[in-house]
Amino acid sequence: DQQVKQNSPSLSVQEGRISILNCDYTNSMFDYFLWYKKYPAEGPTFLISISSIKDKNEDGRFTVFLNKSAKHLSLHIVPSQPGDSAVYFCAASTSLYSGAGSYQLTFGKGTKLSVIP
Amino acid sequence: NAGVMQNPRHLVRRRGQEARLRCSPMKGHSHVYWYRQLPEEGLKFMVYLQKENIIDESGMPKERFSAEFPKEGPSILRIQQVVRGDSAAYFCASSPDRPPSYGYTFGSGTRLTVV
Repeated sequence: DQQVKQNSPSLSVQEGRISILNCDYTNSMFDYFLWYKKYPAEGPTFLISISSIKDKNEDGRFTVFLNKSAKHLSLHIVPSQPGDSAVYFCAASTSLYSGAGSYQLTFGKGTKLSVIP
Repeated sequence: NAGVMQNPRHLVRRRGQEARLRCSPMKGHSHVYWYRQLPEEGLKFMVYLQKENIIDESGMPKERFSAEFPKEGPSILRIQQVVRGDSAAYFCASSPDRPPSYGYTFGSGTRLTVV
């Protein structure tokens, strides 16, 4: 039972354009969502997160949108750069934001983004 | 990722051998988590440890797998009698007492290949 789904295994975008990566979840208990970026032969690196009390969080070129009713979130990268080429993982947790002690992250399978110069 | 140190980076074992994966958390972090990434899959939680304690091993396979985080030294993930299906990337992560808003910091992983 896959609780976090990233239905697009890959995405190609021209440099300078917008990249939109999507993620769906099924577990209503998830209340904190994170995006990780992963280069080959490296571990995942935290990119941006959002709590369920918000519907948008922005950090520079990266914006995450959360639609709780649809159980859907998306990561927007504007403008896309060749260095953004990596695998992006969506992850979800319960109560992480409040520090209540939940520590398990549930990951999607990832989307490989290729930014073409 | 440099803060969480995992070794070896690559490990090749024959079927039936033992694999030992080591993880040194970031300085000041007392909580360690192990995740496994099978080919074409996302990372999956295996075990959560604090010093000398296993807090949650609900993601660990019931047999052949064990983990420890001794008072001194790194955390060890041990796989006995490895099989081809154990081939995967094993990632360790660490956090301070209170998981921060960015989840936790991952190491670069150990890639285990069983031949």
